[in-house]
Amino acid sequence: DTEVTQTPKHLVMGMTNKKSLKCEQHMGHRAMYWYKQKAKKPPELMFVYSYEKLSINESVPSRFSPECPNSSLLNLHLHALQPEDSALYLCASSQVGGDRGYEQYFGPGTRLTVT
Amino acid sequence: GDSVTQMEGPVTLSEEAFLTINCTYTATGYPSLFWYVQYPGEGLQLLLKATKADDKGSNKGFEATYRKETTSFHLEKGSVQVSDSAVYFCALSGWGGKLIFGQGTELSVKP
Repeated sequence: DTEVTQTPKHLVMGMTNKKSLKCEQHMGHRAMYWYKQKAKKPPELMFVYSYEKLSINESVPSRFSPECPNSSLLNLHLHALQPEDSALYLCASSQVGGDRGYEQYFGPGTRLTVT
Repeated sequence: GDSVTQMEGPVTLSEEAFLTINCTYTATGYPSLFWYVQYPGEGLQLLLKATKADDKGSNKGFEATYRKETTSFHLEKGSVQVSDSAVYFCALSGWGGKLIFGQGTELSVKP
């Protein structure tokens, strides 16, 4: 099973709302990732968790707050977003090891619209 | 730093045509190389991978060979179908587990 699930599939939120995106994997992977993707562009890395600890934050604004409650779950808490934050948010997971890592498996994404 | 360059699209082909999407990379050391495919409205799917020089990755009729001498990982398929219409991303495994993506190539296959 190489499935990564994400909920919700679509989300519309106002700039004053608080919402959360959820991601789950049951492949036993110990690295999980959040990406932001604009239309027809490559995904941009936001955060990396390794063994449930935040290992990389790509200078993401504090209105995005990640959380990794356990090895299977990854959340992204959203607060006071801007319209330019509208995008497809992708979660991915992979094994951990070596200097250069392994292939990542992606979820279907959450399409976020900020009004 | 590490980088990936792939041919710009969009690429438009007729069904059953031969496909090549060029990908070249710059990296220190020995990264793994990947092709991901993204169908409209979906996430990225791993299409194939190669972990060392001269490895050939293959899946669903697509192939790519890790060429260290030319720092390339070109994607090929002998006969494309309408269902292959998607955006294709070449990527390498960067330091710290990061994926370094190319800009993506949009493929449109006409019946």
